[in-house]
Amino acid sequence: EFVLSQSPGTLSLSPGERATLSCRASQSVSSNYLAWYQQKPGQAPRLLIYGASSRATGIPERFSGSGSGTDFTLTISRLEPEDIAVYYCQQYGNSPYTFGQGTKLEIK
Amino acid sequence: QVTLKESGPVLVKPTETLTLTCTVSGFSLSNARMGVSWIRQPPGKALEWLAHSFSNDEKSYSTSLKSRLTISKDTSKSQVVLTMTNMDPVDTATYYCARRGYSAYDEVHYGMDVWGQGTTVTVSS
Repeated sequence: EFVLSQSPGTLSLSPGERATLSCRASQSVSSNYLAWYQQKPGQAPRLLIYGASSRATGIPERFSGSGSGTDFTLTISRLEPEDIAVYYCQQYGNSPYTFGQGTKLEIK
Repeated sequence: QVTLKESGPVLVKPTETLTLTCTVSGFSLSNARMGVSWIRQPPGKALEWLAHSFSNDEKSYSTSLKSRLTISKDTSKSQVVLTMTNMDPVDTATYYCARRGYSAYDEVHYGMDVWGQGTTVTVSS
């Protein structure tokens, strides 16, 4: 069964800085079916990135995804205060569709 | 507009069976290569994927919870139902349903592209 490990657990950065979030899979993700989600307090998760690197509809260009196989990265190029959230990766290529444990992004 | 909405009891007792319903609109549960998952989130904790109903009637379950879960769908009612048996206080969580999206036009699988608002279930005597 897939295990997705996200790092770091918490990331504290200033507005305008670059955020780099990592997601590592225990085995290769089929067809790079790797998604990233943003969850703000009290809200349902929102799809940011699908297929490892494609932005979902309406997602700002400052969000980008990269990687393949077992190593994936979500980059936020210039942090905005509204980017405070927990970010999750998920593989959806083979069920069970495992989630990572999340990275909490804090703004200094 | 695609929407999903969860419904079910707010409170269940330990050992009882939980039944949750996800009612969808804006797409058909028979759309090829689409499907609906159930995902839960205990308070302050991470997302946990539970089960998935595929458009071709196949089903998939979390390995750790498989013995307690049943997912089914009624295409005519646009509903996906999740039952979880033998509820325990550790099952207290917000339960979400979400669509695994697919575009037949460009053959793209989107991941969980639309989510319901979630329904909070507390397990307590």
